Amino acid sequence: GESVGLHLPTLSVQEGDNSIINCAYSNSASDYFIWYKQESGKGPQFIIDIRSNMDKRQGQRVTVLLNKTVKHLSLQIAATQPGDSAVYFCAEPSGAGSYQLTFGKGTKLSVIP
Amino acid sequence: NAGVTQTPKFRILKIGQSMTLQCTQDMNHNYMYWYRQDPGMGLKLIYYSVGAGITDKGEVPNGYNVSRSTTEDFPLRLELAAPSQTSVYFCASSRSGERRWTEAFFGQGTRLTVV
Repeated sequence: GESVGLHLPTLSVQEGDNSIINCAYSNSASDYFIWYKQESGKGPQFIIDIRSNMDKRQGQRVTVLLNKTVKHLSLQIAATQPGDSAVYFCAEPSGAGSYQLTFGKGTKLSVIP
Repeated sequence: NAGVTQTPKFRILKIGQSMTLQCTQDMNHNYMYWYRQDPGMGLKLIYYSVGAGITDKGEVPNGYNVSRSTTEDFPLRLELAAPSQTSVYFCASSRSGERRWTEAFFGQGTRLTVV
């Protein structure tokens, strides 16, 4: 079954506010996580990743936090813009050789102008 | 533009028909993948390939077949289409090695409806 999952299916935020998208995982041995953004009608795009030896990683306007104690990670988007409207997935490599990606269900982020 | 190209973009099949979803990439990536995405869900891996002549099953391979005769092409074959195969199909490619997930490219998707 899925080892990553999301708390909320939808999230609406005002333009300019910060967004927080959450993800829980079940396998305490998981050591690498990836966030993807999927805009309507398109394939997923890589946003940011984090390894389990880190608690936090920052990119351009995005930050991923990893809490291994409670097996939870979050994606924070600063100053959310209309172009951030999309579905966001957390994912982790799985299977023999880690060739597979196991995706969570996704959170749909809607930005209110 | 360089990337992953999928055809067709949309298709309606009748139950029991067969079809091939085409996928080609021009980035000389060794790894290629086929995923399906059901409404409101994440992607599930159908098949993957780590190089020409090598394919392997993913999480949901039943009802599908693949081949990888060249580095560029990775077609997905549906035999005896069933309503349960109604989904959006994504092909992806990546390099090998540690950066395969951060540098994976996905196609635009094929929306398939089986009626």
